[in-house]
Amino acid sequence: DAGVIQSPRHEVTEMGQEVTLRCKPISGHDYLFWYRQTMMRGLELLIYFNNNVPIDDSGMPEDRFSAKMPNASFSTLKIQPSEPRDSAVYFCASSLVAGVSGELFFGEGSRLTVL
Amino acid sequence: AQSVTQLDSQVPVFEEAPVELRCNYSSSVSVYLFWYVQYPNQGLQLLLKYLSGSTLVKGINGFEAEFNKSQTSFHLRKPSVHISDTAEYFCAVRNTGFQKLVFGTGTRLLVSP
Repeated sequence: DAGVIQSPRHEVTEMGQEVTLRCKPISGHDYLFWYRQTMMRGLELLIYFNNNVPIDDSGMPEDRFSAKMPNASFSTLKIQPSEPRDSAVYFCASSLVAGVSGELFFGEGSRLTVL
Repeated sequence: AQSVTQLDSQVPVFEEAPVELRCNYSSSVSVYLFWYVQYPNQGLQLLLKYLSGSTLVKGINGFEAEFNKSQTSFHLRKPSVHISDTAEYFCAVRNTGFQKLVFGTGTRLLVSP
């Protein structure tokens, strides 16, 4: 089975540009999470969805960040406009609520560099 | 709200030596506990988890962890490490009633020959 698929794996952009990160969760999983990883702040939960509905977006840094999940097999995280402090690795993860532990399965991440 | 503290940001150790990575958590309700490992340029993968029952949990690659409720700890151990165990290790906690997983800041395990 394919795992969580993220694209692009690497993105280099200039300050002020729009950035869109994409995620395809594992088929059948009904929770999807977006995390951001930086050296300074570690792993931060940005937002998570259940059955395509955003449940908790309290971790989204500011209005420049937005996330959508139009269907069960696709989600996007958009940054507009991007700033150098947004440089980080962004991870998408999915889980199945029917599993007792709700183990998270992570993608390989999208490394964003904003110049 | 839950929180996780990993006291050591980096742990250097020689190959074949034992290692313990420390994790303490804070929560007012019942929790599930996890250890994830992250190899360079990869996502996180589950090492082991504690849900209930036996407090000693065995995971992949020879790792084990012990849940200690009175000390609110979930330390990770391995009796003999390999070079290939060099990675970042994250402890995580979630309430039994919610899906939101909270991670610690990670411990970098550096295994040298």
